[in-house]
Amino acid sequence: AQKITQTQPGMFVQEKEAVTLDCTYDTSDPSYGLFWYKQPSSGEMIFLIYQGSYDQQNATEGRYSLNFQKARKSANLVISASQLGDSAMYFCAMRDSGGTSYGKLTFGQGTILTVHP
Amino acid sequence: DAMVIQNPRYQVTQFGKPVTLSCSQTLNHNVMYWYQQKSSQAPKLLFHYYDKDFNNEADTPDNFQSRRPNTSFCFLDIRSPGLGDAAMYLCATSRVGGVRTEAFFGQGTRLTVV
Repeated sequence: AQKITQTQPGMFVQEKEAVTLDCTYDTSDPSYGLFWYKQPSSGEMIFLIYQGSYDQQNATEGRYSLNFQKARKSANLVISASQLGDSAMYFCAMRDSGGTSYGKLTFGQGTILTVHP
Repeated sequence: DAMVIQNPRYQVTQFGKPVTLSCSQTLNHNVMYWYQQKSSQAPKLLFHYYDKDFNNEADTPDNFQSRRPNTSFCFLDIRSPGLGDAAMYLCATSRVGGVRTEAFFGQGTRLTVV
């Protein structure tokens, strides 16, 4: 069974500094995808970044990068140059092949990020 | 432009009174999902449709039902809402495409049971 663990219930960061949000996962499927979503207080899930299990390089999307350590089963999100608008809940999620050509997402518990001016 | 639209954004219902939440999509995706998210918790998948093929999660209460009359629309019916059903309900869609496939979420419906 899949499992996603986010051990940081809350994180604080100063504006313009970098912050790392932790995520570890467990799956027996060799093919899987890892996603990070941002959920502001309005409720919508906003896709940030994706890392595939077979990807050779760490994913980057603008100010977001993923520190993927496959052997340790971790996929930490790094946000550089934090902005006040980054304050939100952040979820790590995983999809594996699940024997189908699509798969459901399994989410971690989330981390609330607060950016201070 | 919004691609996954949920209505209403906020819904207040009485204990035991049936309620329906709706989701529509303009992406023409095969797969539609309903998640329940209680306060400060992870979203939990209730069920999903692959085209008209309905897939229920093993631990989804019988109180929750769903309908998908066509590709664009999907409904979540709660037959007899209890206080414990108060939550954010998120609809998502995806195409068929393997582990890399991104899910697109609506803005959610926040359900209050009084």
